[in-house]
Amino acid sequence: ETGVTQSPTHLIKTRGQQVTLRCSSQSGHNTVSWYQQALGQGPQFIFQYYREEENGRGNFPPRFSGLQFPNYSSELNVNALELDDSALYLCASSSGPEYYEQYFGPGTRLTVT
Amino acid sequence: QQPVQSPQAVILREGEDAVINCSSSKALYSVHWYRQKHGEAPVFLMILLKGGEQKGHEKISASFNEKKQQSSLYLTASQLSYSGTYFCGTSTTGTASKLTFGTGTRLQVTL
Repeated sequence: ETGVTQSPTHLIKTRGQQVTLRCSSQSGHNTVSWYQQALGQGPQFIFQYYREEENGRGNFPPRFSGLQFPNYSSELNVNALELDDSALYLCASSSGPEYYEQYFGPGTRLTVT
Repeated sequence: QQPVQSPQAVILREGEDAVINCSSSKALYSVHWYRQKHGEAPVFLMILLKGGEQKGHEKISASFNEKKQQSSLYLTASQLSYSGTYFCGTSTTGTASKLTFGTGTRLQVTL
């Protein structure tokens, strides 16, 4: 059974640029949730995708957008990067939006300068 | 609103016990516990649902007081591998994947 993978591991971008982060869900999982984790804080829910549709969103501006593909992998896109976007971005997959256990990937560390 | 965890940090000697608490001001459907080691992904420990159902690892125990919207995670006979930051994540709906996480409790187990 393949776990959740994310790419890239680290990324450095300049303010105003755009970034795409990728997540491959665990085998058999059709739901992916994205979280932003600032240093020393708990993860904050960005949005969730279930069967290629957005299925809920946290308090993040529209410049945070996402996609889920037919194989249930997912992308997180962030436009017009701001310094405060520097964080660890985690994705988590589960067997459904109502299924309880989430399995997290190792994260992508984004630094905006 | 973010759940509140206590204590913020705790240091234990191997073999000692600890309790980590999570409190919410909202009516909860479920409480989820995760452990995160430095530089690693959060690892699932336990889910507690309104109504009493629990699911998690055998060596971990926890409680959920639905009236007080509080949960506690019990770590007994701690091992060095228990070190890390513990997060509770709460859900106010049945869509348990959309979690609001607390700020974490840093646990260090020493020899």
